[in-house]
Amino acid sequence: NFLLTQPHSVSESPGKTVTISCTRNSGSIASNYVQWYQQRPGSSPTTVIYEDNLRPSGVPDRFSGSIDSSSNSASLTISGLKTEDEADYYCQSFHINNFIFGGGTKLTVL
Amino acid sequence: QVQLQESGPGLVKPSQTLSLTCNVSGGSINTDVYFWIWIRQHPGKGLEWIGYIYYGGSTYYNPSLRSRLTVSIDTSKNQFSLNLSSVTAADTAVYYCARVRVSDYGAYLDYWGQGTLVTVSS
Repeated sequence: NFLLTQPHSVSESPGKTVTISCTRNSGSIASNYVQWYQQRPGSSPTTVIYEDNLRPSGVPDRFSGSIDSSSNSASLTISGLKTEDEADYYCQSFHINNFIFGGGTKLTVL
Repeated sequence: QVQLQESGPGLVKPSQTLSLTCNVSGGSINTDVYFWIWIRQHPGKGLEWIGYIYYGGSTYYNPSLRSRLTVSIDTSKNQFSLNLSSVTAADTAVYYCARVRVSDYGAYLDYWGQGTLVTVSS
């Protein structure tokens, strides 16, 4: 199986745009869909992006997902940052019956 | 709206078996559209998948836990369960159940339970 590597933490100011990366170490990032989960402190995770770039109903369009084959990575971009976006974000993929999670990125909105 | 709710002891003694049940409401567990999964999160750490089950009973386990793990499903009660044997302090974690939506090129968790903290201690 492959690994998904995320930055440990990122920070940005309210109203700005932040991008969180998720790099796959082997095989093509395009081979298996990537999902993104948001986990606020004390809460269970929720899906903000599925199948690379789709938003579940109720997730604001400030959240977007993409993949980049040149860097073999997926990205979660949050624009117009709000303090409520402060959370841990996890990327996830699925390959040969195994779930692969990134280590998580702590987003601080300050 | 689908809801999942974990239940079970919050404290388990070392070497004993950790048993949790996930009750699913707002939708049938008896469907070939979804899998049903257990996830855990050690304190302050990331997400780790434990195992998942299909309504017909097919199971898939994390290789690191396979030797101690049983996941089962009871479609008559609309619930699925986790049994993890020979627990140690390293199994202390928040345990989540969730629903898995599967497609040709992946799978993702679309509904999660609120999670339950299980502490392994004598």
